Amino acid sequence: KQEVTQIPAALSVPEGENLVLNCSFTDSAIYNLQWFRQDPGKGLTSLLLIQSSQREQTSGRLNASLDKSSGRSTLYIAASQPGDSATYLCAVNTSGSRLTFGEGTQLTVNP
Amino acid sequence: DTEVTQTPKHLVMGMTNKKSLKCEQHMGHRAMYWYKQKAKKPPELMFVYSYEKLSINESVPSRFSPECPNSSLLNLHLHALQPEDSALYLCASSQVGLSIYGYTFGSGTRLTVV
Repeated sequence: KQEVTQIPAALSVPEGENLVLNCSFTDSAIYNLQWFRQDPGKGLTSLLLIQSSQREQTSGRLNASLDKSSGRSTLYIAASQPGDSATYLCAVNTSGSRLTFGEGTQLTVNP
Repeated sequence: DTEVTQTPKHLVMGMTNKKSLKCEQHMGHRAMYWYKQKAKKPPELMFVYSYEKLSINESVPSRFSPECPNSSLLNLHLHALQPEDSALYLCASSQVGLSIYGYTFGSGTRLTVV
């Protein structure tokens, strides 16, 4: 059974800092990995999708990497802003019809 | 159109009521999902529809009844719910099987059972 772990559970940083969120998974036989952002009481917004054959994806200030063999992914946020404050969820797709989510990292960026 | 639209955004219902949640997408996705999310927890899969047929039911109680009338629409019918069913209900869609675009989620329905 796939298990996904995200570290840290919570992170508080000053504005402008670069930061890294970590995600690890137990079964390396994945199709892809997707990072989501969730604001309180809202739905999930897709940030980046990395296919199993890819090593990284970039969108603006966000960069996600994938090391399938070691079961790890990182989400790098450059020059963080208060608007980046949210919960970040890592989700692994191992069967094509089922996402396994981590518990999330709650990020607070202080002005 | 790259959105999944869920209605209503908020719903308060009594334990004897019958209500329905609605989800709509026009991205041509043929897989649609219902997830339940409790506070401070990740989403939990409830149902998966593939080509308008129920393919996965994660042992969800029968007081939750899904329906997929067509390829764009997904409903969740609610009856005789319990207060512990209060949660954020999320709908998602994707291409069937391996998707190069991943999953698209709606903004959710906040359900409160009183």
